[in-house]
This record gives sequence, C-alpha cells and structure tokens, in this order.
Amino acid sequence: GENVGLHLPTLSVQEGDNSIINCAYSNSASDYFIWYKQESGKGPQFIIDIRSNMDKRQGQRVTVLLNKTVKHLSLQIAATQPGDSAVYFCAENSNDYKLSFGAGTTVTVRA
Amino acid sequence: DTEVTQTPKHLVMGMTNKKSLKCEQHMGHRAMYWYKQKAKKPPELMFVYSYEKLSINESVPSRFSPECPNSSLLNLHLHALQPEDSALYLCASSQGQDGAFFGQGTRLTVV
Repeated sequence: GENVGLHLPTLSVQEGDNSIINCAYSNSASDYFIWYKQESGKGPQFIIDIRSNMDKRQGQRVTVLLNKTVKHLSLQIAATQPGDSAVYFCAENSNDYKLSFGAGTTVTVRA
Repeated sequence: DTEVTQTPKHLVMGMTNKKSLKCEQHMGHRAMYWYKQKAKKPPELMFVYSYEKLSINESVPSRFSPECPNSSLLNLHLHALQPEDSALYLCASSQGQDGAFFGQGTRLTVV
C-alpha cells in the first residue's frame, strides 16, 4: 500500500553543522505531514507539522519543506546540538485518523 | 498542559496473566490512540477512539481489548499474550485529525 518512507536510515553530523533529513511519500492524497523526534526509551515528540497548502514552515531551529510535485518532505535542523541525537520519523495523514509513519532516520551528532 | 500520561512505565507479564495499560490526557483532545512499536521500527497504529467511540481497529488480535471510559482516559486490556507481543505500547491524543501527541509508553515484556 501507499506509505511514507525515509531516504536514509542513518545520518551522522558534526556538532554545529546543519542537518537535513529527507522523507518521500507516495500517497498523493496526503494533506498533512508531521515530523517527530524519538529519543531512546521515550515516546515520539512532536517537532513541527505542515499542511499541503504550504511549502515551507519554520520553527525554533527547525524548518520543514514540502515539495508536492515530487512528493518529498524534509526537516532541516540548524546548528545541530548533541541533544538532537535521536530517531526522526516523518508521518502523514490523508484526512482520517490514520497517522502513518515512515521508517525513521537515526541522527548521531559528533562532538 | 501538553502531556499524555501512561502507566505503568514497565510491565512484565506471563502468558496467562491479565493486565491493563492506562493512558490519560487533559488537553480536551477528542481522539485517542494506541500504537505498538517494536525495537528499531516505527510506531504501528492499533486502535483509534473518536468522541469515546472506537473508530479504527487495525485488525488487532482479540487478546488486546481497548476501552475508553471517558474523554480523558484510554485503557488497553491484555489477556493471554504471546512473547512476540513484547513491545513499547504508546498512547497518543489529538484534537481532530491533526498531529498526535504521544505519551512515554509502556515497555511490555511477555514471558
């Protein structure tokens, strides 16, 4: 079936650099997207969301970009810090309560 | 208050036991969810309650029985589980169909 997926399972980034985490989706009916951060032993933490009528949304140190033409979603983290080390999931919702998660990217920040 | 509280944090149970997982939210959210997450995998949807009524059951085995006593509480009753049911069980809530907020989960081990 159609689902949301991530391009890379792991990402290693130097502290202070910017991180870019990518996600591809195939369901053209998806109209709402969310990025979650999950640290070891914890539940997923809501980071930022974006609706399909937007192509960019900014939060504190994070930016989400949506390209509906190629069905691509990305999360940019500015000035990556050790506390940003976690698994990042993109998730999509196509107008029902079924929030579908991608496979996840494990981000490791090098000191 | 953006907190979803789950109890217990850890649970070990035998295959003949009956136990319950509990979840509580006081954000006035009208939808509540149970997800199951295996190690190094994304969360998988099990059940959705909307306005205290079960609206989605993702073909979950009957040994898992959800209950929504009121708009703030969600339970998951467990009976005759198998070792492969060992996982992190996550509760979430949302206002409508937007991004859900998750609890910290119950780490379940079936022996």
